[in-house]
Amino acid sequence: SQQGEEDPQALSIQEGENATMNCSYKTSINNLQWYRQNSGRGLVHLILIRSNEREKHSGRLRVTLDTSKKSSSLLITASRAADTASYFCATAYRPIQGAQKLVFGQGTRLTINP
Amino acid sequence: DAGVTQSPTHLIKTRGQQVTLRCSPKSGHDTVSWYQQALGQGPQFIFQYYEEEERQRGNFPDRFSGHQFPNYSSELNVNALLLGDSALYLCASSSKKGMRETQYFGPGTRLLVL
Repeated sequence: SQQGEEDPQALSIQEGENATMNCSYKTSINNLQWYRQNSGRGLVHLILIRSNEREKHSGRLRVTLDTSKKSSSLLITASRAADTASYFCATAYRPIQGAQKLVFGQGTRLTINP
Repeated sequence: DAGVTQSPTHLIKTRGQQVTLRCSPKSGHDTVSWYQQALGQGPQFIFQYYEEEERQRGNFPDRFSGHQFPNYSSELNVNALLLGDSALYLCASSSKKGMRETQYFGPGTRLLVL
């Protein structure tokens, strides 16, 4: 299976702490993306990191990619209650020219306690 | 700028029936992808449409079919519904100009099959 695996499946921390989620995958990718989902609603795109990049920042988010280990991590700094959600990594493949297919992991359920 | 819209938001059907779900992509996007998300799981890729043709397909039976219209909107049809088809169906749009990398998701249609 090409599906990525996220670790941990669930994470509960205090507001203000940092949260780290990890993702591993099995085959070569074009890019890796992180999405957030609140209460079973639509997914919100957070950040994209290409296969030739090692680290990327966006606000309080920091993503790293290690293609030799086929793994990525998402760090959320100074967490807030509003960060409570499920976070998914999605690996992007181009099975045919012009198209892109996303393969999602099962997600990490993050709970921020006030 | 309207985002991705989907209709209906919720739907209840019985086994054996047929269902049609609809999606309008984000303004400026020409590509639509469909995903199925079972409860507690990550989204699973169904298929992707652009230029009014199915360009790639995930591991879903022929009961799942789709269509893309000249205005880039799309439909997902599921025939002979099974209990296991109960899920959140997500539509995502992207653009050829953006190399179809980042996908923007709609709020989803929650289908319950009884």
